[in-house]
Amino acid sequence: DTAVSQTPKYLVTQMGNDKSIKCEQNLGHDTMYWYKQDSKKFLKIMFSYNNKELIINETVPNRFSPKSPDKAHLNLHINSLELGDSAVYFCASSQDPTLDPSYEQYFGPGTRLTVT
Amino acid sequence: ELKVEQNPLFLSMQEGKNYTIYCNYSTTSDRLYWYRQDPGKSLESLFVLLSNGAVKQEGRLMASLDTKARLSTLHITAAVHDLSATYFCAVANTGNQFYFGTGTSLTVIP
Repeated sequence: DTAVSQTPKYLVTQMGNDKSIKCEQNLGHDTMYWYKQDSKKFLKIMFSYNNKELIINETVPNRFSPKSPDKAHLNLHINSLELGDSAVYFCASSQDPTLDPSYEQYFGPGTRLTVT
Repeated sequence: ELKVEQNPLFLSMQEGKNYTIYCNYSTTSDRLYWYRQDPGKSLESLFVLLSNGAVKQEGRLMASLDTKARLSTLHITAAVHDLSATYFCAVANTGNQFYFGTGTSLTVIP
């Protein structure tokens, strides 16, 4: 069974559109994350979210919004897509630190977003 | 924001040789992670280092952590082609935000 899954794997869309990427984890973890990996492979955290708190990286444009229908899902919604949003987006999850002090993260397969 | 620097960015080495990748970070943290990423793939966890002086080894890779120096190393022993990949270190702050290094692209040449 896939631990952290994302859909779609590839997403090609035009500037100005609104799109969503879905993420699901079946590990029973309490915290989920979204990362952006640019063309130079640089990884940047966008959000971390558990049932208590959403932490937003202040550099993330407010066109990006995480939505969590339940503990196992954290979707990423992007409004008014721009060319610079083209990247690979990774979802990840980790356990509550009281249960796993290592906070080890497990990553999804990634979604390659191309904005034309 | 916590800064994480890796060097070198690119590493080309011959099979059988040894080399070390360095990871420096800017503020106090006692949790450091090493990941491997193959082209077009996701990130695979290699090591989790949780205390000063921690050392972990898996096959030809060995990772260590010096929290006082804010430095972690990933040592490669007798490299083989299968180790070719991009290696990332990451540091977590007290707010559970993870900050990744720039990555080291390793190519092992026969």
